[in-house]
Amino acid sequence: AAGVIQSPRHLIKEKRETATLKCYPIPRHDTVYWYQQGPGQDPQFLISFYEKMQSDKGSIPDRFSAQQFSDYHSELNMSSLELGDSALYFCASSHRQGTYEQYFGPGTRLTVT
Amino acid sequence: QKEVEQNSGPLSVPEGAIASLNCTYSDRGSQSFFWYRQYSGKSPELIMSIYSNGDKEDGRFTAQLNKASQYVSLLIRDSQPSDSATYLCAVNTGTASKLTFGTGTRLQVTL
Repeated sequence: AAGVIQSPRHLIKEKRETATLKCYPIPRHDTVYWYQQGPGQDPQFLISFYEKMQSDKGSIPDRFSAQQFSDYHSELNMSSLELGDSALYFCASSHRQGTYEQYFGPGTRLTVT
Repeated sequence: QKEVEQNSGPLSVPEGAIASLNCTYSDRGSQSFFWYRQYSGKSPELIMSIYSNGDKEDGRFTAQLNKASQYVSLLIRDSQPSDSATYLCAVNTGTASKLTFGTGTRLQVTL
């Protein structure tokens, strides 16, 4: 079965640079979620989108923005990167009319130097 | 206090034994409950979901939910070394809403 696709899988940036992470949800899933997981931490919710509209917002820094496009893929844009942004970034998707189950992509490991 | 609490472990069980993982949550509005397995450096993998009080079985896994006690558990029967991972309990308050995770319990299955 098709899964959530994320790209790139690894990304190395310097402080103050920008980064764009992409997420392609499972086909027919209409809701996308972004989570950040620091070393030894549990995943923390950043933001979610349903039908291209922001549906919920968590602890996402103002330096980050995201959107969902007409084909339901989503991009997380991160600017003025800080060392503390180094983490695993996961995208998950679900179908609003189905179960409440969220399926996670493989993640993007962002390292800020 | 975290909204979702788990014992961080490690929980060590011998191969073939039953592993029992527990989770409590504080938001009585929580509607959906999930167990994810996460290997080091990998993404969370959904292994069980449960929505109503009682037990739900799927293969070697059984999830138990008690909303009155705000308690969720996961039993793994016939534990295998490949079950060694961190198990994350997650809850949400409705359809298409964010997941709130516990800190995870690290399970070690010994030979």
